[in-house]
Amino acid sequence: TQLLEQSPQFLSIQEGENLTVYCNSSSVFSSLQWYRQEPGEGPVLLVTVVTGGEVKKLKRLTFQFGDARKDSSLHITAAQPGDTGLYLCARRTAGGTSYGKLTFGQGTILTVHP
Amino acid sequence: KAGVTQTPRYLIKTRGQQVTLSCSPISGHRSVSWYQQTPGQGLQFLFEYFSETQRNKGNFPGRFSGRQFSNSRSEMNVSTLELGDSALYLCASSLGGTASYEQYFGPGTRLTVT
Repeated sequence: TQLLEQSPQFLSIQEGENLTVYCNSSSVFSSLQWYRQEPGEGPVLLVTVVTGGEVKKLKRLTFQFGDARKDSSLHITAAQPGDTGLYLCARRTAGGTSYGKLTFGQGTILTVHP
Repeated sequence: KAGVTQTPRYLIKTRGQQVTLSCSPISGHRSVSWYQQTPGQGLQFLFEYFSETQRNKGNFPGRFSGRQFSNSRSEMNVSTLELGDSALYLCASSLGGTASYEQYFGPGTRLTVT
């Protein structure tokens, strides 16, 4: 089983602080996706990283894909209460007749206090 | 463009009953996948459908079944409900095929089994 390990599980910080969430696997990813989910809603895709060493920025969010494509990180600068939510990493596996199922990490619950 | 819609949003059923959940994908999307989300197990893949054919199935008992219609709408059915089936059931749609794999999630159906 190709598991994704996310850390930390919980993160409670004050507005303005920086934070990093990690996603690791023992096997190589062809690509990795990061999602954010708010209570009562489905996950929303933030970014897809494909190339080893890739860095993508989305406003105050910076996503990195490890050189060996076995790990990824999400860094948030100057966190705001609106960043509160569940952050999930996911890898897509395809093959045979499947176009791709997503395997998710356990998620990181982020709470940003005003 | 309307997003993925799921009905009903909330459902309370009794152990032993059966339930049918519905998902309407984004217009033009032909692939629908279903996921179960619980606090203990996180997000787990149930099925993937494309052009009315099941392309992939997760590790769930035969009580979980699904189908896709010619208009790409999908339903999933759970028979003989157990307490452990209480979860948020998420549907995700994508264009399908190897060209595009970004999945867009609906808000989910919250199923409570008593």
